[in-house]
Amino acid sequence: GAGVSQSPRYKVAKRGQDVALRCDPISGHVSLFWYQQALGQGPEFLTYFQNEAQLDKSGLPSDRFFAERPEGSVSTLKIQRTQQEDSAVYLCASSPTRDTRDNEKLFFGSGTQLSVL
Amino acid sequence: GQQLNQSPQSMFIQEGEDVSMNCTSSSIFNTWLWYKQDPGEGPVLLIALYKAGELTSNGRLTAQFGITRKDSFLNISASIPSDVGIYFCAGQLLRAGGTSYGKLTFGQGTILTVHP
Repeated sequence: GAGVSQSPRYKVAKRGQDVALRCDPISGHVSLFWYQQALGQGPEFLTYFQNEAQLDKSGLPSDRFFAERPEGSVSTLKIQRTQQEDSAVYLCASSPTRDTRDNEKLFFGSGTQLSVL
Repeated sequence: GQQLNQSPQSMFIQEGEDVSMNCTSSSIFNTWLWYKQDPGEGPVLLIALYKAGELTSNGRLTAQFGITRKDSFLNISASIPSDVGIYFCAGQLLRAGGTSYGKLTFGQGTILTVHP
């Protein structure tokens, strides 16, 4: 597709349920990022992939959060045993380059809004 | 973690007016960026700044990278209704070796409302 695609757009989960959020980056983009955006706040970095390698996961809030990008394209963010504080919009972004000046020019998807009841 | 403080938190202006917003940090950043987010969408990059003192324009938008490298400003001239949205500043540090990879620190956002 022309842009970063995320699914589902909305997800309602009961506390304790596991969820999986999908991201299809722009074709050919090397770098992929996950950000978490709480209501009324700016996005916060979660993790970064360069192709299939997860090079930075310093922003993942706990070991209940896990991300993968096994073939260097589609990525999945999994949250186990969801809690109410996990409710947020999860944004995926991609960038065509790596380790260069333009890698900060991120192309964001529309996000998945997760509500944990 | 690092914090970026944006001000004002919200603005209500008349169409045609100019707008100014700013962002300050307790830390030095090597790159400053400004994004706009519409409801239900992801942020879209407006302007990127790479050097202290740099002034860059994109149409009616002008942004500056502060001399101290701890602040940045965004101005919008002659606002129009489609300027409505949330504006975010974001900063990026270079890693050791001078490379970067898109790990951004965002401000809390400035909500802009434009009355026709």
